[in-house]
Amino acid sequence: EVKLLESGGGLVQPGGSMRLSCAASGFTFTDFYMYWIRQPAGKAPEWLGFIRNKANGYTTEYNPSVKGRFTISRDNTQNMLYLQMNTLRAEDTATYYCATGSYFDYWGQGVMVTVSS
Amino acid sequence: DVVLTQTPVSLSVTLGDQASISCRSSQSLEYSDGYTYLEWYLQKPGQSPQLLIYEVSNRFSGVPDRFIGSGSGTDFTLKISRVEPEDLGVYYCFQATHDPLTFGSGTKLEIK
Repeated sequence: EVKLLESGGGLVQPGGSMRLSCAASGFTFTDFYMYWIRQPAGKAPEWLGFIRNKANGYTTEYNPSVKGRFTISRDNTQNMLYLQMNTLRAEDTATYYCATGSYFDYWGQGVMVTVSS
Repeated sequence: DVVLTQTPVSLSVTLGDQASISCRSSQSLEYSDGYTYLEWYLQKPGQSPQLLIYEVSNRFSGVPDRFIGSGSGTDFTLKISRVEPEDLGVYYCFQATHDPLTFGSGTKLEIK
């Protein structure tokens, strides 16, 4: 069974940094792209970016809305996905999801990030 | 960025009736490889979104055949025949043809 479990969320001040983690299990981690998606309360989700699989060199792509501030990485020895978020703004407040699959087949339960002073 | 416009914004349906949701794209979603990367997701209350339909009309594993996706180019439709109580939630279309990937604004399905 595919499982994705996000962690690392919470309250952070504007301008601060935070790293989210996503623990993956139940599938061959290196075979799949891994995605980050966020969703402000009451709004539509927003795709943030992805990191490709082993066959595609683990390269990354980002939404221009976060490019340069957010970095996606993966630890293939630990089946972990990460989202490093820097220079956080109030508008980054949202629930953050990791997802995987040929599409967004599988999602984690999400972790809340609140950017506020 | 590609804008996906969903209509209606909300929909109230009697159990057993059909529901129809439209998703209109600001650009054609046919990719250079001939595929159209338009997906539909359902977010039930308090849950993460779940994949229903991929590549316009293909049902994801375990999705009932009551869910039917159709369309091409810029106009797409999700039909739900014989609406059941577990179908309530917010439906989102999503495109993965153009960068950045984008979601529609959502359609809330309520049961009368």
